[in-house]
Amino acid sequence: SSELTQPPSVSVSPGQTARITCSGDVLPGQYAYWYQLKPGQAPILVIYKDTGRPSGIPERFSGSTSGTIVTLTISGVQTEDEADYYCQSALSNGTLLFGGGTKLTVL
Amino acid sequence: QVQLQESGPGLVKPSETLSLTCTVSGVSVSSGSYFWSWIRQPPGKGLEWIGYVYYSGTTNYNPSLKSRVSMSVDTSKNHFSLKLTSVTAADTAVYFCARDSSTYNGLDVWGLGTTVTVSS
Repeated sequence: SSELTQPPSVSVSPGQTARITCSGDVLPGQYAYWYQLKPGQAPILVIYKDTGRPSGIPERFSGSTSGTIVTLTISGVQTEDEADYYCQSALSNGTLLFGGGTKLTVL
Repeated sequence: QVQLQESGPGLVKPSETLSLTCTVSGVSVSSGSYFWSWIRQPPGKGLEWIGYVYYSGTTNYNPSLKSRVSMSVDTSKNHFSLKLTSVTAADTAVYFCARDSSTYNGLDVWGLGTTVTVSS
């Protein structure tokens, strides 16, 4: 199906590792991207092409892929990482798809 | 530094046309390296891709909105625009514009977003 599925929420304590998954049938054949959204701020691209990290994104952000699942990992989570995270991919006709979003809470 | 800024009416009446503009600075919309995209987020919901326009005028729209959407680029003003016709309350959302790399590097620059409410 042309959908991307994410868990609604993930909670971690500061310094722990957060893993946010995104699953979808399109993922083995299409790149995945991850965005961070905070209220009142412009969304930020944190991972591109499954595993790439844009300039300026901290090294604690990483991406991985395995079959129909891609994962955003944030190692050593900081309080400033609390945000909504969205995965994104595309169909073969160029239509972009977004996952439903995951709210990361840093306890 | 590349910046994008959305502008347009914050309130639109049902059945009317929503019109937004995204003003780009720091890069030319005529660059063949980018697609210029619109994305929206209804209250309490996730992101929805609306579509993109290329500097040449080529467009690609979300099939779910295709019958009501049009996008264009104005190279003289370095901005691009969105029109959404026959709006309903379901079109109430924060509307973002963003730059999409043509080399699959993602939506790498976004605007802050603008809230559009559809109400009489």
